[in-house]
Amino acid sequence: QQPVQSPQAVILREGEDAVINCSSSKALYSVHWYRQKHGEAPVFLMILLKGGEQMRHEKISASFNEKKQQSSLYLTASQLSYSGTYFCGTGAGGTSYGKLTFGQGTILTVHP
Amino acid sequence: DAGVTQSPTHLIKTRGQQVTLRCSPKSGHDTVSWYQQALGQGPQFIFQYYEEEERQRGNFPDRFSGHQFPNYSSELNVNALLLGDSALYLCASRRRTGAYEQYFGPGTRLTVT
Repeated sequence: QQPVQSPQAVILREGEDAVINCSSSKALYSVHWYRQKHGEAPVFLMILLKGGEQMRHEKISASFNEKKQQSSLYLTASQLSYSGTYFCGTGAGGTSYGKLTFGQGTILTVHP
Repeated sequence: DAGVTQSPTHLIKTRGQQVTLRCSPKSGHDTVSWYQQALGQGPQFIFQYYEEEERQRGNFPDRFSGHQFPNYSSELNVNALLLGDSALYLCASRRRTGAYEQYFGPGTRLTVT
């Protein structure tokens, strides 16, 4: 089943913060976050594994709540380059390892 | 360090035709997955290959088939094309052991008329 992302879209001024959430109805082994700009391929941001630590990449961090089957992506002091569509991809592990099920995406727009 | 590469970049086909898309994984990666991304949607998993065999398959008909070669590169074949097959086809690669990140290629934009 496809994970649900919220919000569907968010508009920010440069320097503002944002949170994107990803919820699944299935038990998760991993959550993968990607950013995709128009006409380009998704770019890997970070991965969170069951039992692992919160991850951070520059001013972007993410958390994984295994009990709630949720992950959140935190964008701090947003930059114009953060604009794009953010996707979470969930992995179930076990025999399904490597198969990612993606949410519908969150469109982030950062204005000067 | 070369990333994931795909060819061709764009392709226009007629309904009923067949198409072959190609993917070379990132250096050091041995596992390739194919995804279909319709406009405005997230990528949908088609199948995954490692050790030259299909290991997992998503909810796609048998018209979608693939192959992996000894050098880990891969092909996606789609037969009897339908208008609904128009999409961006993405290849992702990773190392099967010791790492979990998947990296996407630039994609092939397929248009079926």
